[in-house]
Amino acid sequence: LAKTTQPISMDSYEGQEVNITCSHNNIATNDYITWYQQFPSQGPRFIIQGYKTKVTNEVASLFIPADRKSSTLSLPRVSLSDTAVYYCLVGDVFTGGGNKLTFGTGTQLKVEL
Amino acid sequence: DAMVIQNPRYQVTQFGKPVTLSCSQTLNHNVMYWYQQKSSQAPKLLFHYYDKDFNNEADTPDNFQSRRPNTSFCFLDIRSPGLGDAAMYLCATSRDAGQNSYNEQFFGPGTRLTVL
Repeated sequence: LAKTTQPISMDSYEGQEVNITCSHNNIATNDYITWYQQFPSQGPRFIIQGYKTKVTNEVASLFIPADRKSSTLSLPRVSLSDTAVYYCLVGDVFTGGGNKLTFGTGTQLKVEL
Repeated sequence: DAMVIQNPRYQVTQFGKPVTLSCSQTLNHNVMYWYQQKSSQAPKLLFHYYDKDFNNEADTPDNFQSRRPNTSFCFLDIRSPGLGDAAMYLCATSRDAGQNSYNEQFFGPGTRLTVL
């Protein structure tokens, strides 16, 4: 499985755009890129997933360059409630069904007033 | 609302005393997963069920077992908990939509296990 590397922590202020970049140099052809958010004492929550180019949903955008060796999660206008750990995952489907998720270290985002 | 439920939220056990954690889901997903998350670490996959087929991760200790009696329920059994097994245990589900699909996992709130 492709290993991911992302910053351990980031700080931001309310109303700013936050971009968290993840490196996955050994990504395989079948791998998707997925981001999860985790608050303390809660399970991770799916944010966004992509394979290539750009994906946007109601909470975030995901930018993936053509070589797919990195990806950037963009959070527009963050608020205090966006303070959480953000995990970048590169995964594939299991043979026989299910999705293989290998969590990296994650990025602790802290948003201040 | 459809969801993943874990009971109990907090579990205290004694060193060496077997403990069972439970997970149920109303999503009717065919895949269920168990993760272990230690303090300040990322979740680590222990095993998963695809329908009734059990799939163990290579580095999951034998001390950890699982049962899935039906689609909705999945149990994590720790046969002889050690101090190092104190962690948050997360259950997750996903719907396998076939080859070349990749679907999100839905996580429960977790059970925090304390070993005395």
